[in-house]
Amino acid sequence: DQQVKQNSPSLSVQEGRISILNCDYTNSMFDYFLWYKKYPAEGPTFLISISSIKDKNEDGRFTVFLNKSAKHLSLHIVPSQPGDSAVYFCAASEKTSYDKVIFGPGTSLSVIP
Amino acid sequence: DAGVIQSPRHEVTEMGQEVTLRCKPISGHNSLFWYRQTMMRGLELLIYFNNNVPIDDSGMPEDRFSAKMPNASFSTLKIQPSEPRDSAVYFCASRRTASSGNTIYFGEGSWLTVV
Repeated sequence: DQQVKQNSPSLSVQEGRISILNCDYTNSMFDYFLWYKKYPAEGPTFLISISSIKDKNEDGRFTVFLNKSAKHLSLHIVPSQPGDSAVYFCAASEKTSYDKVIFGPGTSLSVIP
Repeated sequence: DAGVIQSPRHEVTEMGQEVTLRCKPISGHNSLFWYRQTMMRGLELLIYFNNNVPIDDSGMPEDRFSAKMPNASFSTLKIQPSEPRDSAVYFCASRRTASSGNTIYFGEGSWLTVV
């Protein structure tokens, strides 16, 4: 039973437009959330994170929004660039067990030039 | 600084053979993780260690899988006997401390194919 869900396996966006990647979670004990990006033949790399005490965190072109009541978070990329084409993983951890980071199945983003 | 180092990068083995995957975490990192990536299940946490001690192995699929961390700079994931359904990319990752905000750093993965 997946605790972190990414229901869209893939997403295509035109260069310059906004990319929105969604993530849902079922465990109400999760209080720290992360997004990782993965290029082919490489390991995932950290992109951005958010604590449950916030509802938004921004870093350049990347913004993560958290809706705790809906157990939903999203990653916005504006503007999207071809180099953003990668698999994006949503991840979460509990306050009592920060070590245990659970990842979603990933969403493959293609940014079309 | 060197990142997380995994070996081998690629392994092709026959069903029934023993497979050993190796990992060297980043120096100074106290937590080590083994993840498996498959098309069906995405990135699954298999086991993680804190200060060389296994904390949670609930993600290990079955008894054919075992992991050890004899010291702070080395860990192994062993599959014996291997089966075709074990074919996946296995990632090792490490983190400095067990607290939020500390990024997990992944190795480049070991691509395992069991035929």
